[in-house]
Amino acid sequence: NAGVMQNPRHLVRRRGQEARLRCSPMKGHSHVYWYRQLPEEGLKFMVYLQKENIIDESGMPKERFSAEFPKEGPSILRIQQVVRGDSAAYFCASSQQGTVTYEQYFGPGTRLTVT
Amino acid sequence: DQQVKQNSPSLSVQEGRISILNCDYTNSMFDYFLWYKKYPAEGPTFLISISSIKDKNEDGRFTVFLNKSAKHLSLHIVPSQPGDSAVYFCAASGNQFYFGTGTSLTVIP
Repeated sequence: NAGVMQNPRHLVRRRGQEARLRCSPMKGHSHVYWYRQLPEEGLKFMVYLQKENIIDESGMPKERFSAEFPKEGPSILRIQQVVRGDSAAYFCASSQQGTVTYEQYFGPGTRLTVT
Repeated sequence: DQQVKQNSPSLSVQEGRISILNCDYTNSMFDYFLWYKKYPAEGPTFLISISSIKDKNEDGRFTVFLNKSAKHLSLHIVPSQPGDSAVYFCAASGNQFYFGTGTSLTVIP
């Protein structure tokens, strides 16, 4: 399956712990996007990355959240000192080009639960 | 500030009939619109798109209509099938993708 892969699919963390979410884009895609879906809400853009570069992080909370897309390996969304309000589904998408006229292909998501 | 709105959280339609899902947006600078379909426990999958220079795009049973003056787009599915039951998100692109809150479609056999 050459689709977008995310792991883990489910992640449970206690308040104050760190959460690391991984995303491997589709083969040939070098653009990665992270979205968050809170209960009863739509997908909210968080960050757009290319290899080794953050292009747009306007949707990222200013504190505790960071993202990277290294030259080798998956993209990582890191949430430090998680709080209950971080509980959500986090989706990663990838595209072949960076212009938004190209469809983004989504992974299955990581459901984060903070207890 | 929700720039893309789907005011109907749910819709039920009889199999074989037409499903019409609606979406409104606020930013006249959006130049590309997409519909995604999402099943539970899966990521959204791309369904159909339309450029702002067009007012209609058709792909099989799916047609998207764009009314720029009203800042409104709709997705028509005809005939509706039980397998179409899912949550449908509309999205608009400017410098990023803006998603609506989704409409849950149930097609009744």
